[in-house]
Amino acid sequence: DGGITQSPKYLFRKEGQNVTLSCEQNLNHDAMYWYRQDPGQGLRLIYYSQIVNDFQKGDIAEGYSVSREKKESFPLTVTSAQKNPTAFYLCASSLTWSTSEQYFGPGTRLTVT
Amino acid sequence: ELKVEQNPLFLSMQEGKNYTIYCNYSTTSDRLYWYRQDPGKSLESLFVLLSNGAVKQEGRLMASLDTKARLSTLHITAAVHDLSATYFCAVDRVDQGGSEKLVFGKGTKLTVNP
Repeated sequence: DGGITQSPKYLFRKEGQNVTLSCEQNLNHDAMYWYRQDPGQGLRLIYYSQIVNDFQKGDIAEGYSVSREKKESFPLTVTSAQKNPTAFYLCASSLTWSTSEQYFGPGTRLTVT
Repeated sequence: ELKVEQNPLFLSMQEGKNYTIYCNYSTTSDRLYWYRQDPGKSLESLFVLLSNGAVKQEGRLMASLDTKARLSTLHITAAVHDLSATYFCAVDRVDQGGSEKLVFGKGTKLTVNP
């Protein structure tokens, strides 16, 4: 089955630790995205990648980092510099960078205490 | 800067009733998407509206787009409990580099009561 997988589903970390969220897709999509969702809020774009080995900051990139070494993988690292990391993180992909229809993974709920 | 506003943000309705959710956006765009999200789950694509006057229907939901008014509506007909979820609209924007990205509204949390 084609789709987007994110792992883990739930993640707990202590304040001050970096944590990496996984996102893998087998849709052969060029573009991938990371969003953050807070309770009662819409999705806010953290980073996006149009093609392999390229990525751009979104609207709320501070305290986050990404890499895109393979087409199918776009991991997100939440660093200790992110002041309010507890949130629901969603990964998405689209066929190309000029295609706006996006398909979403199941999400990772990160709790930092 | 593109802003997307949904209203209402919370909607409680009885089964069998009709209602409309509104999505207004601030700058020109020809593409609009509606998504559904169940609690703790990901976003499920409902409708893709690609041109002015586009209307799409699936079951008890119908979405329309008026690009001149910068308005999309999601109409619910004879609501049933299974429609309880949060509904998001998202509008396409093109950044300076030509990449297309989505800007999301805050969502409308719909609760359908028996």
